[in-house]
Amino acid sequence: DAMVIQNPRYQVTQFGKPVTLSCSQTLNHNVMYWYQQKSSQAPKLLFHYYDKDFNNEADTPDNFQSRRPNTSFCFLDIRSPGLGDAAMYLCATSREGRQPQHFGDGTRLSIL
Amino acid sequence: AQSVTQPDIHITVSEGASLELRCNYSYGATPYLFWYVQSPGQGLQLLLKYFSGDTLVQGIKGFEAEFKRSQSSFNLRKPSVHWSDAAEYFCAVGPPGGATNKLIFGTGTLLAVQP
Repeated sequence: DAMVIQNPRYQVTQFGKPVTLSCSQTLNHNVMYWYQQKSSQAPKLLFHYYDKDFNNEADTPDNFQSRRPNTSFCFLDIRSPGLGDAAMYLCATSREGRQPQHFGDGTRLSIL
Repeated sequence: AQSVTQPDIHITVSEGASLELRCNYSYGATPYLFWYVQSPGQGLQLLLKYFSGDTLVQGIKGFEAEFKRSQSSFNLRKPSVHWSDAAEYFCAVGPPGGATNKLIFGTGTLLAVQP
């Protein structure tokens, strides 16, 4: 089945230690999104790629970076995680235009 | 400003009872409208979407939603709730145009189902 896969499902890192979360898709969608979701809150868009074009949300901290080496893969890098970065991180994909987003199961990030 | 409001933070219904989850939006034009469901520890699954046309939209798992332009609402309904429907439900709106479908999510409604 075509899908969006996030690895790992659970990630534990230390305060200030860089961490990378990965997302892959078999849907061949040209748009990929990264969301942060804290407990009992709505997903908050961090940034998205339209093909290779990177689009950062205005309030996304500089601590968060992303890479998209090819259509299928997208990475979220957190350079120096703080305790406030503990959250679920969701990757989503869509075709361009008026299309729904398809979500992965997320990576739960904990900061020690 | 564009926004989505889900007035009910938490709803409890009995299994077999009917369900209606409310969603109101504020947008400059008629947006695209979505309902997603999220089970604990999982990602979001698309239940249904409205782009245009018939204002009553059928989705998966027996859900439907009705778009009411005059009320800026897109309420989700199910005639008979099953215990497996217990989850968090998010209403979202997307822009009517543009290349990317950036969504604005409501704050969610947590549904509990009593036996």
